[in-house]
Amino acid sequence: QVQLVESGGGLVRPGGSLTLSCAGSGLTFSDYYMTWFRQAPGKGLEWVSYISSSSYYTNYADSVKGRFTISRDNTNNSLFLHMNSLRAEDTAVYYCARDRYRPPSYFDFWGQGVLVTVSS
Amino acid sequence: EIVLTQSPGTLSLSPGERATLSCRASQSVSSFNLAWYQHKPGQAPRLLIYDTYTRATGIPDRFSGSGSGTDFTLTISRLEPEDFAVFYCQQYGSSPYTFGRGTKLEI
Repeated sequence: QVQLVESGGGLVRPGGSLTLSCAGSGLTFSDYYMTWFRQAPGKGLEWVSYISSSSYYTNYADSVKGRFTISRDNTNNSLFLHMNSLRAEDTAVYYCARDRYRPPSYFDFWGQGVLVTVSS
Repeated sequence: EIVLTQSPGTLSLSPGERATLSCRASQSVSSFNLAWYQHKPGQAPRLLIYDTYTRATGIPDRFSGSGSGTDFTLTISRLEPEDFAVFYCQQYGSSPYTFGRGTKLEI
C-alpha cells in the first residue's frame, strides 16, 4: 500500500535552516505531483508548496515564497522541503501528500507528519 | 483566497447517531472541487470524499457528501466508535488550496 514517511523535523533557532524529507513507497513516485502542507499549533491546515512529477512546475504559498524550496528525487522516491530564514510562525507539523491528479486535485495519501519548532 | 467556515466547531454525539457537518465557502467552489478528510491525533489525514460526492477507495458508505456552490455537507449516517476524529473540508478549485478550521466529532 502507499506509504509516505516524513523526517528531518526538530528544533531550530529563528533565522536557521532545516530540510524535511518525505520517503514514498508503494507508488510509482515519478508519476505524481507532490505537495507539502503544515498545521501550526491550534490552527488549521495550510497548503505550503507543490511540485510537478518532473520537477518542472513548483508553486509556493505567499507565506513561504522566497524562503522555502521544494524538490524531489524520483530515483529514490523522495520529496524534500528546504526551509531557510525560519520564523517562529513556521512552527508546525509538516505533512507531505500525494496529488491524485495534476492541479487542481485532491490529496489521496498523506504522511503522519513531522514537527518543526522554531524557537530561541 | 476562498475561506472555508466549518460548523459546528465541536459536535458531541453517540455511536449509532447521525452526524451532519457543514462547510461554507466565502465564494463559489468551482467544478465541485471540494474534499473531506478525517484526522486522528498522530495519524495521517485520511481522504474521505472528493469532488463533493465521491467516496474515496475503502471508505464505508455511511459517509456521504453533498452540496454545491458555497454550501457543502458531510453526513455520517450511523456513527461507529472509530469515526470520532477531526474532519476538515478543503477546496481545490482555486489557488491557493484552502481548508476549513475543522469540526471535532467527539463521543
